[in-house]
Amino acid sequence: EVQLVESGGGLIQPGGSLRLSCAASGLTVNSNHMSWVRQAPGKGLEWVSFIYSGGSTYYAGSVKGRFTISRDTSKNTLYLQMNSLRAEDTAVYYCARATQTFTNYFDYWGQGTLVTVSS
Amino acid sequence: QSVLTQPPSVSGAPGQRVTISCAGSSSNIGTGYDVHWYQHLPGTAPKVLIYGNNNRPSGVPDRFSGSKSGTSASLAITGLQAEDEADYYCQSYDSSLSGWVFGGGTKLTVL
Repeated sequence: EVQLVESGGGLIQPGGSLRLSCAASGLTVNSNHMSWVRQAPGKGLEWVSFIYSGGSTYYAGSVKGRFTISRDTSKNTLYLQMNSLRAEDTAVYYCARATQTFTNYFDYWGQGTLVTVSS
Repeated sequence: QSVLTQPPSVSGAPGQRVTISCAGSSSNIGTGYDVHWYQHLPGTAPKVLIYGNNNRPSGVPDRFSGSKSGTSASLAITGLQAEDEADYYCQSYDSSLSGWVFGGGTKLTVL
């Protein structure tokens, strides 16, 4: 059974940094395409970042240059390093496994971790 | 504003049929990228309802169906049940943005 468990969320001041983790079981992170998706309060789902199994990374324009997606093979864990945080980054952050299809979709999701950016 | 446009809300009585539209453009749905649909209940992880325009994962009732035509797609739900009350999102890929995109979401209310 695939399980994705996010952690690392919390309250952080604007301009601060936070690293989210997504511990995986039932799948190997570095053999799969993985992604981060967020949902701001009262808003819809927003794709944030994507890492292909081969290592290529992609970011939404709203976070490019501030967020970095990475993975640790030994810990089978996906990360999202978030720097220069802004109030508009406040959201529940989900990690998800992306399928290896022409148009990737997200078939396994974690329960999410809440990030609140506020002074 | 989302790249994929969905109605903010739809409603229907139990047993009825509802459809949720997802309007895209020539840089996403219209250029051949597939459309996928998710059901999202507050406080839970989103769940794939339809993948590849019209395919249901195992365990999803055949009351749910998807279609795609031109630059848009639709999700149809027949035989509405109270448990269908949730938020629904379409998702695809956009070549102009070089990224994955979601619709703004549609809240389904079962009357």
